[in-house]
Amino acid sequence: NAGVTQTPKFRILKIGQSMTLQCAQDMNHNYMYWYRQDPGMGLKLIYYSVGAGITDKGEVPNGYNVSRSTTEDFPLRLELAAPSQTSVYFCASSYSSGRGDTQYFGPGTRLTVL
Amino acid sequence: ILNVEQSPQSLHVQEGDSTNFTCSFPSSNFYALHWYRWETAKSPEALFVMTLNGDEKKKGRISATLNTKEGYSYLYIKGSQPEDSATYLCAPDRGAGGFKTIFGAGTRLFVKA
Repeated sequence: NAGVTQTPKFRILKIGQSMTLQCAQDMNHNYMYWYRQDPGMGLKLIYYSVGAGITDKGEVPNGYNVSRSTTEDFPLRLELAAPSQTSVYFCASSYSSGRGDTQYFGPGTRLTVL
Repeated sequence: ILNVEQSPQSLHVQEGDSTNFTCSFPSSNFYALHWYRWETAKSPEALFVMTLNGDEKKKGRISATLNTKEGYSYLYIKGSQPEDSATYLCAPDRGAGGFKTIFGAGTRLFVKA
């Protein structure tokens, strides 16, 4: 049982490049999330999904896109990378229990845009 | 927007000291409150989830209390150990579903041996 996995762990992009951050979970969780974490700030929700085929914007969605074709996978796409997207990105998943869903986090991807 | 404030931002204690942190949040639209522990170079891990006013949870030397009427939660660590060094995140839910969770910036604890 690997939990939540993310690839890559580190990446350096040039301004204007694109990339996809991969996230997978093997816990059969219906909910999945993408967060970014900037120094001194709390985790900010970028996008989330409540099930395969269903995604929605979080607090900071601009510059990102997601898709969810399967229960297990939830990739995050960065188009036209900008220095403001330099951050640590965390994927998480949870099972919808109705109240107080505990989230399980992946190891994170550290992205630098130069 | 639900404002979550955690204090202090950071804390340095000696091994064996007991300590506590505060999380404050608007008491309206409260649904649940989570505490997560986040060690350096790792990912956040859940400590507790509390839903009812007056809830108290305990895990080893760590415990937490919840006051939903006044909008605060305390996290206590008894007899701090170096392995307790981490950032402790408070995260209230403003509704059902993890996408309703708002994360505080955390309290960073350093325990010196």
